[in-house]
Formats: sequence, C-alpha cells, structure tokens
Amino acid sequence: EAQVTQNPRYLITVTGKKLTVTCSQNMNHEYMSWYRQDPGLGLRQIYYSMNVEVTDKGDVPEGYKVSRKEKRNFPLILESPSPNQTSLYFCASRGPLSSYEQYFGPGTRLTVT
Amino acid sequence: AQSVTQLGSHVSVSEGALVLLRCNYSSSVPPYLFWYVQYPNQGLQLLLKYTSAATLVKGINGFEAEFKKSETSFHLTKPSAHMSDAAEYFCAVRGGADSWGKLQFGAGTQVVVTP
Repeated sequence: EAQVTQNPRYLITVTGKKLTVTCSQNMNHEYMSWYRQDPGLGLRQIYYSMNVEVTDKGDVPEGYKVSRKEKRNFPLILESPSPNQTSLYFCASRGPLSSYEQYFGPGTRLTVT
Repeated sequence: AQSVTQLGSHVSVSEGALVLLRCNYSSSVPPYLFWYVQYPNQGLQLLLKYTSAATLVKGINGFEAEFKKSETSFHLTKPSAHMSDAAEYFCAVRGGADSWGKLQFGAGTQVVVTP
C-alpha cells in the first residue's frame, strides 16, 4: 500500500530536549515536505526537499532542521524544542513536478512543556 | 506569491442540506487549486483538484468545485450533506509548474452536520 508514515504519532517532551520525528514514504517520490498545523492558521510549510541531499526552507523554518540522506526518509529535527513548537506536524510527499497530488502522513501531535 | 482565504472558520449544516464552502485565492501565475479533507485524528485526504483543465471539477464523496477565474474563487459544494461529511476542509493553491509543489493552505473550515 502506498503510504507516508510518521513516528511517533504523539509526543510530549520538555523544553530543550532534542527530538526527531521520522517520516518515510514507499512511493519512490522525489519531493517531500514538512508542515505544521495550528488552529486558525491552516498548514504552513516548514522545510521541503526536492531530492536526496537537496533541502530548502519553507515559510516557518526557525527552530527546525531536516536531512534527506535517503530518498524514502525525511526526518524533522527539533534540537531545542520550545513551547511555541507545540503543534500538529504533517509530512507529505509527491512524485514528479508534473504530478499534482501530495500524499500526507497521519500526523504527529507534539506537546512541548 | 500565492495565498488562500477561506470564508468562515465554522459551518453548520443540516443533514440533507447543501454544503457550500468558500475559497478565494490569489496567485501571480495560473494556479493549481485543491480541496483537502481532514477527518478527526487523521491526515489530509485529497477531495479534488483543478489543474487548468475543466473548470467544474468533481471529486470524491459527491463533492465538486468550480474554478472561476474572474472571481478568483474555487468554492466547494455538495448537494446533500451526510453525517460522515463532518470534518475540517482546507483549500490550497499551488503556483503552477514552477513552484516546486509547495502548497499554500487556507486556515480551514470546520463543518458540523446536524441531524
């Protein structure tokens, strides 16, 4: 089954404790991205990657890092989480530029206390 | 640059009544437009998309949307609401083939369906 998976689905952590949210897709997609969803703001792009070793900032990259060492994986790293990063995070992937649909993972709900 | 405005953060409809969710966009290039649905505790699922072909687009679950360039709108409709339509709906715009796939989302509209 074609899918995007994220782990963990739920995470509660404390300020300053480094964490990584994993994202993996099994569709051989080149394009992957991370979004955060906040009430009243919709989804905002954090980082995206057009292919292995190619990443770039989205609209709200501050406080986040990403890496793309393999085509299928695109982890999101919070090196020093803060309470304002409490949010619902989605990973997404898409095929060639001519492809229109983005496939979203199930989401990771992060709470930083 | 692209942007999306969804009118109404919450919409309440009676079961069997028309569902109308409004979306207006701004784009400096011919846009691709999307409607996504998010059911509780789930990710986003594509309902339908406009990619410069037919202006009336039919999607899953009986939804459709019409692209109106003159009004810069892409409103979502369903003739008869069902209880299972209760969810949050997002309109999104992608700025054509040169935007590297970045989607700009609206703030979302929560739909409540009453018996």
